[in-house]
Formats: sequence, structure tokens, C-alpha cells
Amino acid sequence: DAGVTQTPRHEVAEKGQTIILKCEPVSGHNDLFWYRQTKIQGLELLSYFRSKSLMEDGGAFKDRFKAEMLNSSFSTLKIQPTEPKDSAVYLCASSLYNERLFFGHGTKLSVL
Amino acid sequence: QEKVQQSPESLIVPEGAMVSLNCSFSDSASQSIWWYQQHPGKGPKALISIFSNGNKKEGRLTVYLNRASLHVSLHIKDSQPSDSAVYLCAVSIGAGAKLTFGGGTRLTVRP
Repeated sequence: DAGVTQTPRHEVAEKGQTIILKCEPVSGHNDLFWYRQTKIQGLELLSYFRSKSLMEDGGAFKDRFKAEMLNSSFSTLKIQPTEPKDSAVYLCASSLYNERLFFGHGTKLSVL
Repeated sequence: QEKVQQSPESLIVPEGAMVSLNCSFSDSASQSIWWYQQHPGKGPKALISIFSNGNKKEGRLTVYLNRASLHVSLHIKDSQPSDSAVYLCAVSIGAGAKLTFGGGTRLTVRP
């Protein structure tokens, strides 16, 4: 299955730590998205890349969240420093110039 | 900023029932509307999309869009226990692939 791959599946961090989440999009896709999902807020867009260029960096998430796309097949999301309120599922998705997004399974982050 | 509201928040139906899920959006210039299905521990999966006023049918799924009332609905015919999941409505804003998601409807289909 050559879908979107996210690692790790689970991450536990102490408050103040730096964590890096990884994503490999579907081969050939040129759009890449990072979302955060919580029960209260639902799905919130963190970052959006098109052809490796940052198109949107999620406004309110700018200060401690940094997404990078090192090449067309790999992206990272760094959270520095982590806070307990960052506990959520982080989802990566990719698409090919359209709106049909293919999501990974997500990384469940718990910040103690 | 586009707002997407879904109702009901949760729904429990017996197997074989017709399911109706609702979604309202705020921007009449919205492009396409998508429905995604999300099972526990998995990422959302695209089910069906619609752009033009009217309806679109794919298998057991039918989606209705009314741009005048800023409303879209998803209907699942002959629901199955495997349909139990969270259903997310997503609306695109302008050109490109940026989507705004609603809060979701949790569907439970009892055998």
C-alpha cells in the first residue's frame, strides 16, 4: 500500500521537549498538508505545501510549530517546545492538484 | 473565514436503515464539497464530492447540494455495521486544494 506514511504512530513527550513528526506523501502528489485533530476543535490546518513551497503556515500555530518539506517525498513537523495542550492526533495528507486528500493514519501525541 | 457546521453530532440507527447527515457552510463562493469517512485510529478517507447544485449518486451514497441555502446532505442507503464511523464534511475555499472541515457526525449502525 503506497499511501501516506506517518511515523511514529504514538509519541509521548515531557512538557518543554522538542518533537519531530515525519510524513511521506503518496508518490507523485504535489500538495502536502499537516492537520491537528482534537475532539473539541476537530481538524485544524497547520501547514500547506504545494510543490515544496509553503503556501500556508496555520496562523495561530506559527510560534511553536514548524513544518518543512525537505524534498517532494518527505516532510517533518517540529513542535518546540511542547505543551500539554498540544496533545492531539497529527495528520498528514497529500493530493495531486485537487481536493481529494489522502490521509495517513496519524501520530497520536501525548504531552505530560 | 469559511465555517462548516454538521448535524447531528451523533446518530444511532439499526442495520438496513437510511442515514441522512447534514452540513451547512458559510461561503456561497465555495468550490467543491467533500464527504470523508473516518474509522477509529485511521485517517479520514474521501467518499464522495459534489460541485454543482443537485444530486450525485455513487453506490449506496447520494449527496445533495443546495447552494442557495448553503446546505449539503449525505444519504447512506441500506446502512451496514461497517458504515459505523465519523463522517466529515469538507468545503474548499477558492482555487486549489485547501479544505475546511466540519466537526463531524458520529454514526453507529447496530446489527
